[in-house]
Amino acid sequence: DGGITQSPKYLFRKEGQNVTLSCEQNLNHDAMYWYRQDPGQGLRLIYYSQIVNDFQKGDIAEGYSVSREKKESFPLTVTSAQKNPTAFYLCASSNQNYGYTFGSGTRLTVV
Amino acid sequence: SQELEQSPQSLIVQEGKNLTINCTSSKTLYGLYWYKQKYGEGLIFLMMLQKGGEEKSHEKITAKLDEKKQQSSLHITASQPSHAGIYLCGADYGSARQLTFGSGTQLTVLP
Repeated sequence: DGGITQSPKYLFRKEGQNVTLSCEQNLNHDAMYWYRQDPGQGLRLIYYSQIVNDFQKGDIAEGYSVSREKKESFPLTVTSAQKNPTAFYLCASSNQNYGYTFGSGTRLTVV
Repeated sequence: SQELEQSPQSLIVQEGKNLTINCTSSKTLYGLYWYKQKYGEGLIFLMMLQKGGEEKSHEKITAKLDEKKQQSSLHITASQPSHAGIYLCGADYGSARQLTFGSGTQLTVLP
C-alpha cells in the first residue's frame, strides 16, 4: 500500500542535542512538506520541497534543517538552535492532481 | 489578523444533532481542503473543494465552498461519537501548493 511513513512515533531530546525525524513516501509524489503542530493550534509550515535537491523555508524554519537527496525521503533535523522543539511534527506529500497525504506524525519532547 | 479563520474553536454536541464548522479566508482560495485528526495522529483527508459554489458529500458530511471562494463550511448531519476529533481546514492559495491551516475545531459528540 502506498503512503507516508514517519519514524519514530515518539522521540525524546536532551537539551543541546540535534535529532532527526524520518519521513519516507512511496506515492511517487514530487512535493514534500514538514509541519509543526502545537496543542490547540493548527499546522505551521517548517520547510517544503518541490523537487529533489531543492527545498524552501516555510513560516517557522529557524532552528530546523532538511535535505532532499531522494524523491522518497525528506528528513527533518531539529537543531539545538530550536529553543522550543516540543511539539507534534507532521510530514506530508502531494502531487498536482490530488491533495496532501499526511504521515502519522512524530511527537518530540525535550527532557 | 489571521489569513484563515476557523470557527468555532470547540464544539460539544449531543449524538444525533447536526453541526456546522466554518472556515473563512481573507483572500480568494485556489482550493480548500478539509481534514479530520484524532489526537496524536496524522490527518485524514475528507474533501477538497476548488470551484466556487461547489458542494461535496461523503456519508453524513457535506462541505461547501461559496461563490466568491473565500468561505467554506463543513456540515455533519446526525452526528455520531465516531465523528469526534479535530477538524482542520487547509487553504491552497496557489503558492507552490503549500497549505495554510486554520487553528482547528475540537468536536466532542456526547452519547
